[in-house]
Amino acid sequence: AQTVTQSQPEMSVQEAETVTLSCTYDTSENNYYLFWYKQPPSRQMILVIRQEAYKQQNATENRFSVNFQKAAKSFSLKISDSQLGDTAMYFCAFMKRINTGTASKLTFGTGTRLQVTL
Amino acid sequence: DAGVTQSPTHLIKTRGQQVTLRCSPKSGHDTVSWYQQALGQGPQFIFQYYEEEERQRGNFPDRFSGHQFPNYSSELNVNALLLGDSALYLCASSYVAASSYEQYFGPGTRLTVT
Repeated sequence: AQTVTQSQPEMSVQEAETVTLSCTYDTSENNYYLFWYKQPPSRQMILVIRQEAYKQQNATENRFSVNFQKAAKSFSLKISDSQLGDTAMYFCAFMKRINTGTASKLTFGTGTRLQVTL
Repeated sequence: DAGVTQSPTHLIKTRGQQVTLRCSPKSGHDTVSWYQQALGQGPQFIFQYYEEEERQRGNFPDRFSGHQFPNYSSELNVNALLLGDSALYLCASSYVAASSYEQYFGPGTRLTVT
């Protein structure tokens, strides 16, 4: 079984600053995906960024980037130039990679509540 | 292109009652997964439907059951409701027959059991 741990229940950052959210995971799998999801107060879970474990290059999406350390089983999210709209719960999630034609499930951490302030 | 939709938005039930939640997947998707998110927690996987069959199941009792229809929409049924079933229920859809692995989430149904 996989576990995902987010050790920072809450974080705060000023607008335009940079913040890093931590995530560690435990798995015996070698092929998997990692995700960061954002859940604003509106409740809609939105995919922020994804990383394929077999890729060594860290994923980036505009102001969002990850630091993926496979050996350490660490997957942190960096948000640059923070904006008020980034205020939300952020969840780290794991998915085992399986063969095409079948589906897999997401295992989530407990989340980090990020508050962006003026 | 409509995303994942869920109904109802909110629901209040009494202990012992039964409830049905509904989900319509994103256009082109054929797989539906259900998650339970208790207050202040991350979502927990309940089960997943593909080709109208339950394909995977999380650690939830048999009181939780589901169904998938030929148009890929899905229902989540919970019998004999307990106070602990109060949560946000999220539906996520995906397309299984390709390398795509992303799950797209609906806005959720907030269930309150009194």
